[in-house]
Amino acid sequence: DAGVIQSPRHEVTEMGQEVTLRCKPISGHNSLFWYRQTMMRGLELLIYFNNNVPIDDSGMPEDRFSAKMPNASFSTLKIQPSEPRDSAVYFCASSDSYPNSPLHFGNGTRLTVT
Amino acid sequence: EDQVTQSPEALRLQEGESSSLNCSYTVSGLRGLFWYRQDPGKGPEFLFTLYSAGEEKEKERLKATLTKKESFLHITAPKPEDSATYLCAAAQGGSEKLVFGKGMKLTVNP
Repeated sequence: DAGVIQSPRHEVTEMGQEVTLRCKPISGHNSLFWYRQTMMRGLELLIYFNNNVPIDDSGMPEDRFSAKMPNASFSTLKIQPSEPRDSAVYFCASSDSYPNSPLHFGNGTRLTVT
Repeated sequence: EDQVTQSPEALRLQEGESSSLNCSYTVSGLRGLFWYRQDPGKGPEFLFTLYSAGEEKEKERLKATLTKKESFLHITAPKPEDSATYLCAAAQGGSEKLVFGKGMKLTVNP
């Protein structure tokens, strides 16, 4: 079991640039979650998918953020244009029968927007 | 508003000094209460799920309990390798949104 795989591990970009974060969930898992973690706010749910369909995107901060899940093995979170306040660690997690099974997290992407 | 509150925010223990971490929640229709451990530079790692008041789960030096308003993570005779941030999260009914507390940083000194 390779676990949830996120790329890149670190991303440094300038304000105004487009950023794309990638996630490969655990094979066979049907739910996928994107979280953002900061010191001030902790872990915040941005969006989650069930069977590739977005179920709850109420945590997406604004229209600059978008997420897609074109198939069961891949998801992207895009920020366009990026702003310094978007700097955080972004985690992807997957589950095979949430909430009856726990979320399994990747090791995150640390995003720095200068 | 659904909330999960952890206390204390940070805790420093001597090796072998047992203690408890508190997680209080106000979530409508709780579907599950999850405990995670997070090491620096890593994603949260699953520890326990509790589904109903009175339920208990144990793993090595850790024991999690659940009431209708709180969950406790008891650490018995901790070791330095137990140093980490411990997170609790509540899955609410309806939307099934998983809401996390801000975590509790535990440091165990040898």
